[in-house]
Amino acid sequence: DAMVIQNPRYQVTQFGKPVTLSCSQTLNHNVMYWYQQKSSQAPKLLFHYYDKDFNNEADTPDNFQSRRPNTSFCFLDIRSPGLGDAAMYLCATSGGQADQPQHFGDGTRLSIL
Amino acid sequence: RKEVEQDPGPFNVPEGATVAFNCTYSNSASQSFFWYRQDCRKEPKLLMSVYSSGNEDGRFTAQLNRASQYISLLIRDSKLSDSATYLCVVNNGGGFKTIFGAGTRLFVKA
Repeated sequence: DAMVIQNPRYQVTQFGKPVTLSCSQTLNHNVMYWYQQKSSQAPKLLFHYYDKDFNNEADTPDNFQSRRPNTSFCFLDIRSPGLGDAAMYLCATSGGQADQPQHFGDGTRLSIL
Repeated sequence: RKEVEQDPGPFNVPEGATVAFNCTYSNSASQSFFWYRQDCRKEPKLLMSVYSSGNEDGRFTAQLNRASQYISLLIRDSKLSDSATYLCVVNNGGGFKTIFGAGTRLFVKA
């Protein structure tokens, strides 16, 4: 039944060790988003893809990269995680119109040792 | 000024109460508006879209005031299960850039 699936649910990595979070969808949506959410804060948009077109937010650190090899999958790569990158990472999808709501995965909670 | 602002609360209300939340946004070109609810340590889930003429879904009513740049959510006959954080979401002017408010925390008590 799950339509936006994130793996893993929990990820622990070491300071500076690259980590990849994955997201897949069965909705065939054009748009996929990655958000970072820290405790008691709003989800913050990092970037989104419209099909293969990548749109980076101006204040997203270079340490965060993304790949979308096909419609169904999207990855978030954190090249050198710092302690400040510990957060919940949320993947979402939406249809091709900007007025359509987003559907979220369960999130990946990232901890940095 | 934040792009999307909400009263963080918390709002503590008894079961059966009516409670209202407001959310203001700064970009007059914003075109799409939503309310999401988020339970503790869970993902946001769509509660309802907000349409220009206002819309209702059961106990929930959403309103949009473009002139004053705010949206509102009214919850009638509050249930214990309504306890959550309510997030105001604004699509910022035609593209897919989406801004979330920090959320308003609601506690409904028996």
